[in-house]
Amino acid sequence: GENVEQHPSTLSVQEGDSAVIKCTYSDSASNYFPWYKQELGKGPQLIIDIRSNVGEKKDQRIAVTLNKTAKHFSLHITETQPEDSAVYFCAALFSNYQLIWGAGTKLIIKP
Amino acid sequence: DAGITQSPRYKITETGRQVTLMCHQTWSHSYMFWYRQDLGHGLRLIYYSAAADITDKGEVPDGYVVSRSKTENFPLTLESATRSQTSVYFCASTGQGYGYTFGSGTRLTVV
Repeated sequence: GENVEQHPSTLSVQEGDSAVIKCTYSDSASNYFPWYKQELGKGPQLIIDIRSNVGEKKDQRIAVTLNKTAKHFSLHITETQPEDSAVYFCAALFSNYQLIWGAGTKLIIKP
Repeated sequence: DAGITQSPRYKITETGRQVTLMCHQTWSHSYMFWYRQDLGHGLRLIYYSAAADITDKGEVPDGYVVSRSKTENFPLTLESATRSQTSVYFCASTGQGYGYTFGSGTRLTVV
């Protein structure tokens, strides 16, 4: 079946450094790739997304890159801050408006 | 208030009892989803609905029932709760398949 692989499962970075989370997907027909942030005790929240006609998208300290040929996309967070600590999920749009989810990355920002 | 709301926020029930988790959205989104989230398993799709009176199974539907008589409501029922259904349940909605919005979740404990 269709799947999305996400790495690493845990990422610990020093405050102020950059963090990169990577995902690969199997369905070559996927054309929409969102990233969600989940803080403790809350539901996932969309932070950035990218569509297949775009290679990169930025929003302040967050950026997402997409390589359709290789079927992988990545989340980049620069100048990390304590409030960036959370679990991050990548996803790829599948048929019937279903998202296929990665397993999540726990990002820890060390002071 | 506009948004997507889940109730109850916390629920403790006994094995064998029927319990219903509620989900209500105010945007008239066509698509609604129920996920469960367990440590080590990320987000797993239970059921989804493309419109009122149209529902379909997701990855882990056994032991659950859904209905959608009105566009804005998508209740999830555990017909006979089991301990393995102890989990955090999230409802989500989207209008066009892009950008799911999640509720705050229901933490269900089956004792």
